[in-house]
Amino acid sequence: DMKVTQMPRYLIKRMGENVLLECGQDMSHETMYWYRQDPGLGLQLIYISYDVDSNSEGDIPKGYRVSRKKREHFSLILDSAKTNQTSVYFCASSSRAKNTLYFGAGTRLSVL
Amino acid sequence: KTQVEQSPQSLVVRQGENCVLQCNYSVTPDNHLRWFKQDTGKGLVSLTVLVDQKDKTSNGRYSATLDKDAKHSTLHITATLLDDTATYICVVGDRGSALGRLHFGAGTQLIVIP
Repeated sequence: DMKVTQMPRYLIKRMGENVLLECGQDMSHETMYWYRQDPGLGLQLIYISYDVDSNSEGDIPKGYRVSRKKREHFSLILDSAKTNQTSVYFCASSSRAKNTLYFGAGTRLSVL
Repeated sequence: KTQVEQSPQSLVVRQGENCVLQCNYSVTPDNHLRWFKQDTGKGLVSLTVLVDQKDKTSNGRYSATLDKDAKHSTLHITATLLDDTATYICVVGDRGSALGRLHFGAGTQLIVIP
């Protein structure tokens, strides 16, 4: 079953705390993405990973970093979270060969 | 600047009615266009992908068109069901591979009432 799994689904943190969002996929997709979705806006690209240890900044990378040590896992890290990072974060993966794109169910992060 | 504009922002229809969602974009190049369905609190699920200069696709009660000359796409939903209640998102890809960027619209919120 083709799937992108995000953990946790819901997270509440205090300003200044570190945050780790995890994403896994079971399709051996080369490319993985982290997006955030805010009300009234389209999804915004934070980081894109083309394969293990091959990561590039997206449109809004400030305040975020990523890690991809295995093809099936892609982590998003917020060092010292800020209240304006309250959002829903989506992970996605895609296959270049098949031009397919799959999204996880999202992580709803609240930074107080 | 928003490069993908969707209209209407929200739409209420009665079960059984048909509806049309619009997507206009300024993304260049425009390699392909996808429509996604997003249920409340869930991830995005792909409905269809349009690729050709003037393209049409059909997926059950969902059908879509793309006109790259006009940079315009429509999503038609026939005989709506209550389960069609969701946000529908238009996404334009500027390349044919994952190396390209995806440009997301803000979505049209569709509500289907009995």
